[in-house]
Amino acid sequence: GQNIDQPTEMTATEGAIVQINCTYQTSGFNGLFWYQQHAGEAPTFLSYNVLDGLEEKGRFSSFLSRSKGYSYLLLKELQMKDSASYLCAVSRSGYALNFGKGTSLLVTP
Amino acid sequence: GAGVSQSPSNKVTEKGKDVELRCDPISGHTALYWYRQRLGQGLEFLIYFQGNSAPDKSGLPSDRFSAERTGESVSTLTIQRTQQEDSAVYLCASSLGWASNQPQHFGDGTRLSIL
Repeated sequence: GQNIDQPTEMTATEGAIVQINCTYQTSGFNGLFWYQQHAGEAPTFLSYNVLDGLEEKGRFSSFLSRSKGYSYLLLKELQMKDSASYLCAVSRSGYALNFGKGTSLLVTP
Repeated sequence: GAGVSQSPSNKVTEKGKDVELRCDPISGHTALYWYRQRLGQGLEFLIYFQGNSAPDKSGLPSDRFSAERTGESVSTLTIQRTQQEDSAVYLCASSLGWASNQPQHFGDGTRLSIL
């Protein structure tokens, strides 16, 4: 079975740092993706982790611990445009992704 | 265009009618996926096409749902005898291949409302 959990909502202040957690329990694992989705728009790819550790890409970083079934997305120097839903997705079979329900992030001035 | 294109962007129809949703993947992408996103829920995998291989239909919720793809181009998702629980955003994605590290690129989706 699949179980991917992430907080429903988070609020953070412009300029701050926020960490969005994702825990998963899956019968197979071929990597974990983070996507950003603004309301009414397509999800856009942010990061991919398959090995343990931290992947840094500009203001966004993603961490994975396979033994703990745990990942987080770290957003630094928050901007108002970062207000969006952040989707954690696990690749089981190499193609189909299993998504969590998403975390709605609100960045306030 | 450079991205995944879906049409229509919105569709309102009466319960019991058939609907057809269209997806134009990014040129050169051999893999194509359909997902459903119900209000307040995560994206739900429906079907996957890879080149000329048999599609993976394991996510289709009932036999009212079907999808086709011609070669490595356009795909259509058909829902017959629509029900109110079919109301959702239907998202199409494509990727360069089936390898697990290939990110999927999504279209803006079709918002389907069943009255």
